[in-house]
Amino acid sequence: QKEVEQNSGPLSVPEGAIASLNCTYSDRGSQSFFWYRQYSGKSPELIMSIYSNGDKEDGRFTAQLNKASQYVSLLIRDSQPSDSATYLCAVHGSSNTGKLIFGQGTTLQVKP
Amino acid sequence: GAGVSQSPSNKVTEKGKDVELRCDPISGHTALYWYRQSLGQGLEFLIYFQGNSAPDKSGLPSDRFSAERTGGSVSTLTIQRTQQEDSAVYLCASSFASGDSPLHFGNGTRLTVT
Repeated sequence: QKEVEQNSGPLSVPEGAIASLNCTYSDRGSQSFFWYRQYSGKSPELIMSIYSNGDKEDGRFTAQLNKASQYVSLLIRDSQPSDSATYLCAVHGSSNTGKLIFGQGTTLQVKP
Repeated sequence: GAGVSQSPSNKVTEKGKDVELRCDPISGHTALYWYRQSLGQGLEFLIYFQGNSAPDKSGLPSDRFSAERTGGSVSTLTIQRTQQEDSAVYLCASSFASGDSPLHFGNGTRLTVT
């Protein structure tokens, strides 16, 4: 079992729809969770962080965390073609070193 | 403020040569990571430095790869006797030490081995 798992996609949604990206993790002691967006040929950029169970909203983005189910998701409302990218889920491990573990990413395609 | 700086941005080298890639993290960031990303692939973890602790080298693919971090700041990734399969983008990222700190990435070094 991978430490952080994402469906590689591609996930294809029409413009204006809600895109739902999912991530599961294996370390039950993890406390910090991040979503990064990576455009083709560019470096990953942070778009959301979440630390507590529940929802966190920032503009069109909502991160959802359920520690009991070891599940974190990212919702993108009113998806735009400019949202087409790979979305990476990252989880801080609970070990002393606190290393950040990345999933393999989900490719999102928003079609006009 | 300045972000994570990587140099060179592009490097073309001949098979068998050694290369050094440099990363200058954000000031005050004690955690530093190196990743490799081949075309169309995910991030491949290479090595992780955290303060004065021994680095986590579990991701280094072979003994041709090594990394140092001097004075808790600048890091150098060295690849000896480069092979064509080493061609990739090498990304450096840094963060504060605390477990709730996100990573900030540099723009990467694109390495091409001919």
